[in-house]
Amino acid sequence: GAVVSQHPSRVICKSGTSVKIECRSLDFQATTMFWYRQFPKKSLMLMATSNEGSKATYEQGVEKDKFLINHASLTLSTLTVTSAHPEDSSFYICSASGSYTDTQYFGPGTRLTVL
Amino acid sequence: AQSVTQLDSHVSVSEGTPVLLRCNYSSSYSPSLFWYVQHPNKGLQLLLKYTSAATLVKGINGFEAEFKKSETSFHLTKPSAHMSDAAEYFCVVSDGYSGGGADGLTFGKGTHLIIQP
Repeated sequence: GAVVSQHPSRVICKSGTSVKIECRSLDFQATTMFWYRQFPKKSLMLMATSNEGSKATYEQGVEKDKFLINHASLTLSTLTVTSAHPEDSSFYICSASGSYTDTQYFGPGTRLTVL
Repeated sequence: AQSVTQLDSHVSVSEGTPVLLRCNYSSSYSPSLFWYVQHPNKGLQLLLKYTSAATLVKGINGFEAEFKKSETSFHLTKPSAHMSDAAEYFCVVSDGYSGGGADGLTFGKGTHLIIQP
């Protein structure tokens, strides 16, 4: 149980375009979802926290207008990278937790490459 | 503010020998502490977690960690390394009261574990 999926696993886009990444909890209701970013050979950095039906809370230094997060249902959160640039290239990982869990379950990640 | 320091970026051990991955933390509250493992092209997997119960925590695949408040440490150990243990390991802290479920996590920089045959 407690499986989290992400789609796509890998995406390449041109500079200036927008990319949407989906995060789904497959077998539990995710009241809270998190988005992390992982740079090569570096740690994960928390970008934002979203609760179902509420606006996301962004960490300091994360641009809200560039990284749009929507958590419209208890099983789906999306991260949209708007007007992507090469410096946005990274590994994006989501995690989810439910009302009755005290653990975050992580998705497999999405590799974004902006040309 | 909370932070995590993983003292070794790389650890290399021979198969069958003990593993020690070191982690020190800083936290304003009683923290929840975790170890996650990341295999290549795989998602993060929770190895074990400490949430103010027993200080010696047993996890999956033979790993365990001991919470030492006086030393602000949470080192990960395994008595005998297996080739399949080769991966990236992250020590993680959460300051929140939810035990890590509803609060953002702070990750260490990771330790790359290499298993020599």
